Amino acid sequence: NAGVTQTPKFQVLKTGQSMTLQCAQDMNHNSMYWYRQDPGMGLRLIYYSASEGTTDKGEVPNGYNVSRLNKREFSLRLESAAPSQTSVYFCASRSDRGIGEQFFGPGTRLTVL
Amino acid sequence: KNQVEQSPQSLIILEGKNCTLQCNYTVSPFSNLRWYKQDTGRGPVSLTIMTFSENTKSNGRYTATLDADTKQSSLHITASQLSDSASYICVVSSSGGSYIPTFGRGTSLIVHP
Repeated sequence: NAGVTQTPKFQVLKTGQSMTLQCAQDMNHNSMYWYRQDPGMGLRLIYYSASEGTTDKGEVPNGYNVSRLNKREFSLRLESAAPSQTSVYFCASRSDRGIGEQFFGPGTRLTVL
Repeated sequence: KNQVEQSPQSLIILEGKNCTLQCNYTVSPFSNLRWYKQDTGRGPVSLTIMTFSENTKSNGRYTATLDADTKQSSLHITASQLSDSASYICVVSSSGGSYIPTFGRGTSLIVHP
């Protein structure tokens, strides 16, 4: 049981390049989330998916797109990377039981030059 | 607007000493409050979860308290260890609708030998 996994762990892009961050969970959770974490800002929600086939914008969605490929996988795409997107990106999934704890992946550290 | 404020922003203590971190929130209607520990370079990991009816919850040397009337929570760390050096994040969720928790910016704790 790996929990939430993310790839890659590190990535360096040039301005204007595109890339997709991958996230998968093996806990059979319906809800999945993408956050970015910047120094002094805390975690900010980019997009979330309440169930397979649905996605919704969070607090900071501009410049990003997401795909909920199936129940396990939720990817985040940067179509044209900008230096302002330099950040650490975390994927999370939420338990459907009880009060619904969130479980986080290890993060992807992205630098855009 | 839902908000979570944490204090202090950073804290340095000596190994073996106790410390208390604070969290004030304006999330309504309240569902639950969680404290997460985030080690450098890793994703957040849940320490405690409290609902409206709970006013204290322990996890080893970590004890969280909740005062739903004043909308305050604290995380007390007893007999600190070097491994307690991390960021501690307070997260508050409201009831009903989509599960979108509100994150505090965290308290950075450094434990010196």
